[in-house]
Amino acid sequence: SQQGEEDPQALSIQEGENATMNCSYKTSINNLQWYRQNSGRGLVHLILIRSNEREKHSGRLRVTLDTSKKSSSLLITASRAADTASYFCATDQTGANSKLTFGKGITLSVRP
Amino acid sequence: NAGVMQNPRHLVRRRGQEARLRCSPMKGHSHVYWYRQLPEEGLKFMVYLQKENIIDESGMPKERFSAEFPKEGPSILRIQQVVRGDSAAYFCASSPISGQTSTEAFFGQGTRLTVV
Repeated sequence: SQQGEEDPQALSIQEGENATMNCSYKTSINNLQWYRQNSGRGLVHLILIRSNEREKHSGRLRVTLDTSKKSSSLLITASRAADTASYFCATDQTGANSKLTFGKGITLSVRP
Repeated sequence: NAGVMQNPRHLVRRRGQEARLRCSPMKGHSHVYWYRQLPEEGLKFMVYLQKENIIDESGMPKERFSAEFPKEGPSILRIQQVVRGDSAAYFCASSPISGQTSTEAFFGQGTRLTVV
């Protein structure tokens, strides 16, 4: 299995609800990043959390990192229809020239 | 400050032709990464370049694929004798400094290659 595995694979929620997405990885990391991708489009960087950080906030986003469990979660609060997209976690592994290793992504659908 | 620019956005090639994908990093960025995304998949690392140097090509197929980042001009990903399995979205990312623990990578909009 690959570094950076997200779960669930797909998530469908009602507008206004919170969405929680999880990511697990296998090796030691410098940082972990979350990206959003709308269908057929490029990647939008959401948030970066360093290996020595445990929690980070940005607007309606909250990211946690547990290096002992090698896992991260992305919480989107008060979701909107415009949040509908695929979400990827990507790890910057220690000693890997800052190349990112991506998971397969989570498809989030927010129903209006 | 323009972001990472990739062109073309869409490219159609017949089997056996060559595909050339271009990437201009953000101003001031000297590190370029290429990734490939197959349908319904995440991005897979292909190659990491600095100006005039290939630093890490561990994700590049051994044949038909090459990349360069010349002193002047954009980075080029070249695919020779394309096959249908090369159909994918190819993304370029740039960053100012490598090896830093908190460096964000900035991605272009991608080039969607279709081999017919």
